Amino acid sequence: AQSVTQLGSHVSVSEGALVLLRCNYSSSVPPYLFWYVQYPNQGLQLLLKYTTGATLVKGINGFEAEFKKSETSFHLTKPSAHMSDAAEYFCAVRNTGNQFYFGTGTSLTVIP
Amino acid sequence: DSGVTQTPKHLITATGQRVTLRCSPRSGDLSVYWYQQSLDQGLQFLIHYYNGEERAKGNILERFSAQQFPDLHSELNLSSLELGDSALYFCASSPRTSVSETQYFGPGTRLLVL
Repeated sequence: AQSVTQLGSHVSVSEGALVLLRCNYSSSVPPYLFWYVQYPNQGLQLLLKYTTGATLVKGINGFEAEFKKSETSFHLTKPSAHMSDAAEYFCAVRNTGNQFYFGTGTSLTVIP
Repeated sequence: DSGVTQTPKHLITATGQRVTLRCSPRSGDLSVYWYQQSLDQGLQFLIHYYNGEERAKGNILERFSAQQFPDLHSELNLSSLELGDSALYFCASSPRTSVSETQYFGPGTRLLVL
């Protein structure tokens, strides 16, 4: 069975500081991993995804994530936080049966 | 704007009632997915349709059903509503069924059951 754990339901960073949002997954087969962002009163928007190939994945808005199989992790990072990054972030895993499993989300606050 | 539309945006109803949520996928997308987002359960996958056929089921209650029509729009029917069904319901679409495809989410329908 697949599952996703996001450590830290709330993360606060100062503007310009590194953003690190943690995601660990459990999967019995090679996973397909995704990060989505949700702004207030909006739907989810894909930030980036890992399917196969390069383990360092670059996404939109300067975000990137690294798939580490040995650690079963897919942490999301951004070198320098911007005020517009304040949102809810969801990590998700998708299995070959086309079922999505989402983490509980991490709310990112950016402090000016 | 993802290109996925959902109606209505808000819905307020009473326990025991039945409602229908509608989703129009992006032009050309054959797959539609439904999700429920609530404070206590988080974001949960409900069901996936591809070109009119059910392809995968998640944590969908028996009181809930969905279908995808020949014009590819989809409806999620929720019946015998309970207070706990209050949530944000999203649909998403993608071109086909590949697990690597990006899903494009609609703005959601906020359901409040009183």
